[in-house]
Amino acid sequence: KNQVEQSPQSLIILEGKNCTLQCNYTVSPFSNLRWYKQDTGRGPVSLTIMTFSENTKSNGRYTATLDADTKQSSLHITASQLSDSASYICVVTYLPSGGYNKLIFGAGTRLAVHP
Amino acid sequence: ETGVTQSPTHLIKTRGQQVTLRCSSQSGHNTVSWYQQALGQGPQFIFQYYREEENGRGNFPPRFSGLQFPNYSSELNVNALELDDSALYLCASSFMTVTEAFFGQGTRLTVV
Repeated sequence: KNQVEQSPQSLIILEGKNCTLQCNYTVSPFSNLRWYKQDTGRGPVSLTIMTFSENTKSNGRYTATLDADTKQSSLHITASQLSDSASYICVVTYLPSGGYNKLIFGAGTRLAVHP
Repeated sequence: ETGVTQSPTHLIKTRGQQVTLRCSSQSGHNTVSWYQQALGQGPQFIFQYYREEENGRGNFPPRFSGLQFPNYSSELNVNALELDDSALYLCASSFMTVTEAFFGQGTRLTVV
């Protein structure tokens, strides 16, 4: 079964600290993996997108890694800010034979950054 | 801003009623997909439209239906609303099915 699992479910850190969010997936055939940031009650906004051949990608203070062999990804946030408080969702895209590109969403990690 | 607009932003309906949610896709995009997101959960795929035809559907009953118009905007219709239909409904647009998907801000539906 195609699944995306994220950990931890929630996380509280102090402003200025770093943190790492995890994503494990069992999706096949794999097309790409995306990390989204979702503020409460808003639509997700893309942070990074990585294909099979990429193992790291940065977007400002956000750095995503991908290990396609172990089917694991992480999102590292450096020097956290209060505005980083949001849910972070890992999304894996796969393209089944004869089908359409399909997104499989994780449940997300809810991050709270405290002053 | 992603250029994807959803309306209305909030909606309250009574159980058994019908609702229509709307999505205007980003300019140049021809594919729209809809998702249901319950509180504290990740989005769940409802269906996808490509060039006015449904080309994929998730595990949702037939009372969830949709349309895509020639300008690639889209509607999600839900009949016989149930309390469990209360959620944030998101639409995402892309060019074909393989490019980056951009999400709207969502419609918060509450069924009472």
